[in-house]
Amino acid sequence: DAEITQSPRHKITETGRQVTLACHQTWNHNNMFWYRQDLGHGLRLIHYSYGVHDTNKGEVSDGYSVSRSNTEDLPLTLESAASSQTSVYFCASSESGLAGGVDTQYFGPGTRLTVL
Amino acid sequence: GDSVTQMEGPVTLSEEAFLTINCTYTATGYPSLFWYVQYPGEGLQLLLKATKADDKGSNKGFEATYRKETTSFHLEKGSVQVSDSAVYFCALGPSSGGSYIPTFGRGTSLIVHP
Repeated sequence: DAEITQSPRHKITETGRQVTLACHQTWNHNNMFWYRQDLGHGLRLIHYSYGVHDTNKGEVSDGYSVSRSNTEDLPLTLESAASSQTSVYFCASSESGLAGGVDTQYFGPGTRLTVL
Repeated sequence: GDSVTQMEGPVTLSEEAFLTINCTYTATGYPSLFWYVQYPGEGLQLLLKATKADDKGSNKGFEATYRKETTSFHLEKGSVQVSDSAVYFCALGPSSGGSYIPTFGRGTSLIVHP
């Protein structure tokens, strides 16, 4: 069965360190997304990609970067981790809708990141 | 820009009670509408969706009807169970002439007591 996985599931790091969160999907979807989820803020979009070599900034992209070298993977890098980046991170993928844009999203199980 | 407004939670109900979670939206064009559910410790998963006006999405006893005239997509269930305790997110999808990225509401927590 197709799936979307994230690793690690839990990560503790120190302020200033570089951290990379992995996301891998076997749906063969063109669209991939990274969100963070915090109490009181719901889901906030960090970065997204519509296909290989395409990346776009979301509403909270400062301090984060992504690259898309193949269809299956969209790793999220925190260049210099800050305590404000302590959060739960979700990756998602989707096909394109009939009108373009994004159809049903499939979410990974999440990565809980703690920055000390 | 596009936006979604959901009723604030938590919503606390007894088992077998009727559930309504309100969702209204603002969008340019004609978006698809979604309800996602997030169980504790998990990612979001699609609960139901509707792609055009007057469509009704349904799944697991939950229903929602795409009301273009009131720009609403309220989630309902006739008899909730303890296992329905979760966070529910309303979302906008593809919008012809509008946004090409999804827009989520803030989520509504549902707690069902035995």
